[in-house]
Amino acid sequence: DTAVSQTPKYLVTQMGNDKSIKCEQNLGHDTMYWYKQDSKKFLKIMFSYNNKELIINETVPNRFSPKSPDKAHLNLHINSLELGDSAVYFCASSQGGRQFFGPGTRLTVL
Amino acid sequence: KQEVTQIPAALSVPEGENLVLNCSFTDSAIYNLQWFRQDPGKGLTSLLLIQSSQREQTSGRLNASLDKSSGRSTLYIAASQPGDSATYLCAVEENSGYSTLTFGKGTMLLVSP
Repeated sequence: DTAVSQTPKYLVTQMGNDKSIKCEQNLGHDTMYWYKQDSKKFLKIMFSYNNKELIINETVPNRFSPKSPDKAHLNLHINSLELGDSAVYFCASSQGGRQFFGPGTRLTVL
Repeated sequence: KQEVTQIPAALSVPEGENLVLNCSFTDSAIYNLQWFRQDPGKGLTSLLLIQSSQREQTSGRLNASLDKSSGRSTLYIAASQPGDSATYLCAVEENSGYSTLTFGKGTMLLVSP
């Protein structure tokens, strides 16, 4: 009965590869987000989607492309991975203020 | 641009102590403020949400206050327990609807038995 789930939990890959992270929420929320937490633990918004439409894109390189096939899913595809993309990526959802976070995906680019 | 600062960055206390974590933000035009808890290797858990019109919220041993005009919030933890050990994050939301959260860097709390 996990509210916000992400797969995979860990992702180790080589520079230049393309990878995807999946996110699903079963809370019936309209809004979903992707956040990046860097090595210094600083958490920053990347994207926000409302009812499958992109609402916010916070100066993220266009190598990052979110896709929302339906209201319950928001996937993150990353092309041509770079060393600096190594971080923990969190998905979240909200309705009416409080945000609920997934467990995170730790991405390591070698 | 909104900036959120949390003091102290780390705090170590013996079990049973009452403690206060501080959060300040530069733009007082916020919609709400949230306190989260993050355990190592885990996601964030929302602890308390204070709407901009509210002064405080309480949940069990946790009490969060908000002084919007001065750009400050505090999280008070009463009778701390080892299980309270975690990183506590403060985040502000600036607009209603689809706005996103701006986070502080967190306070890492260690409560020793």
